[in-house]
Amino acid sequence: DAGVIQSPRHEVTEMGQEVTLRCKPISGHNSLFWYRQTMMRGLELLIYFNNNVPIDDSGMPEDRFSAKMPNASFSTLKIQPSEPRDSAVYFCASSPSWGVSGGPYEQFFGPGTRLTVL
Amino acid sequence: AQSVTQLGSHVSVSEGALVLLRCNYSSSVPPYLFWYVQYPNQGLQLLLKYTSAATLVKGINGFEAEFKKSETSFHLTKPSAHMSDAAEYFCAVVRSQGNLIFGKGTKLSVKP
Repeated sequence: DAGVIQSPRHEVTEMGQEVTLRCKPISGHNSLFWYRQTMMRGLELLIYFNNNVPIDDSGMPEDRFSAKMPNASFSTLKIQPSEPRDSAVYFCASSPSWGVSGGPYEQFFGPGTRLTVL
Repeated sequence: AQSVTQLGSHVSVSEGALVLLRCNYSSSVPPYLFWYVQYPNQGLQLLLKYTSAATLVKGINGFEAEFKKSETSFHLTKPSAHMSDAAEYFCAVVRSQGNLIFGKGTKLSVKP
């Protein structure tokens, strides 16, 4: 199994530009999570999906952030326009659905995307 | 509401010494608890999880954690630290909706 795949691994952009981060979850996992990690705030949950439906987006910092999951094998996190304070490592994680017999299941994390906004 | 508190943002031990990383939880229902490890420039990976089957949980790389309801704790231990254990460790509790609430993390340094 390839694990959770994220692209790009590194992104450097200028303030005001649109940034799109991509995630491919582990096949068969129905829950997908987007996190942001910074030195100041640690690991924050931004949004999570279950069966491609957003369940909780209360962690999305503002309207500049949006996330989609058009199908079970792909999700995007978009920042438009980007700002220097968005610089962070963004992680995607996936897990089997909550409520499935034998849960709760661990979340499997991708390697992250390191975003730098100049 | 569920939450976790990790005591100590940095812990330093000598190689071969006991590792003790502290985690206290708050939960109105029987909690499910996890410990994750993050090596530099990598994502998080699961060390171990508590799901009420046994109070002493053994994980990978020689780590274990003991669930103590009376103390609302789930501390992570390893009898003998190795240089390769240097990393950041996160305690997490499952929310009722199914997602995880992570602690702030504890960075473990291992001195030769």
